[in-house]
Amino acid sequence: DAGVTQSPTHLIKTRGQQVTLRCSPKSGHDTVSWYQQALGQGPQFIFQYYEEEERQRGNFPDRFSGHQFPNYSSELNVNALLLGDSALYLCASSLDRGQETQYFGPGTRLLVL
Amino acid sequence: GESVGLHLPTLSVQEGDNSIINCAYSNSASDYFIWYKQESGKGPQFIIDIRSNMDKRQGQRVTVLLNKTVKHLSLQIAATQPGDSAVYFCAETKTQYNFNKFYFGSGTKLNVKP
Repeated sequence: DAGVTQSPTHLIKTRGQQVTLRCSPKSGHDTVSWYQQALGQGPQFIFQYYEEEERQRGNFPDRFSGHQFPNYSSELNVNALLLGDSALYLCASSLDRGQETQYFGPGTRLLVL
Repeated sequence: GESVGLHLPTLSVQEGDNSIINCAYSNSASDYFIWYKQESGKGPQFIIDIRSNMDKRQGQRVTVLLNKTVKHLSLQIAATQPGDSAVYFCAETKTQYNFNKFYFGSGTKLNVKP
């Protein structure tokens, strides 16, 4: 049973560029949440996808957007990259049944130069 | 908004000793809590969870205690091992229409000395 997978593992971009990160949820999970984790900080909620729609959003600008596909996998897109977007981007999957545990992937380390 | 904080940023313990990591939360309406372990370069790994209708839950070598009166959560690790060295996060959520938005603290680094 595969856990949450993310790609790529590492990425280097320059300011102003755009990036797409990918996530495949744990088998059987239908809900995907994205988090940004700056160095030395706890993860910060970006948004959550369920039934291919964004259900809830954290305090992030609309440069951050996402998508969920029919197979429940998801993408996170960030436009007009800023130096401050450098972070570990984490994907977490869960079941949409109320209080359900979120399981995290290994993350994508993004460095913006 | 909700906030979750940890009392100590770094905790050093001797191998074999018990560890206690503390966490304070501010939202009394939170009803589900999770402890995660994050090793360097990896994503957070689920350790143990507890719902607000409980005050204690035990796992393998770990125990979580919830004190809703003072909004405090703790993680106890028995017989701490070098492999327990990591950053530990507590996360809280208040379930709304089947939606879980978790709030994380900044973490406590556990350093196990051999």
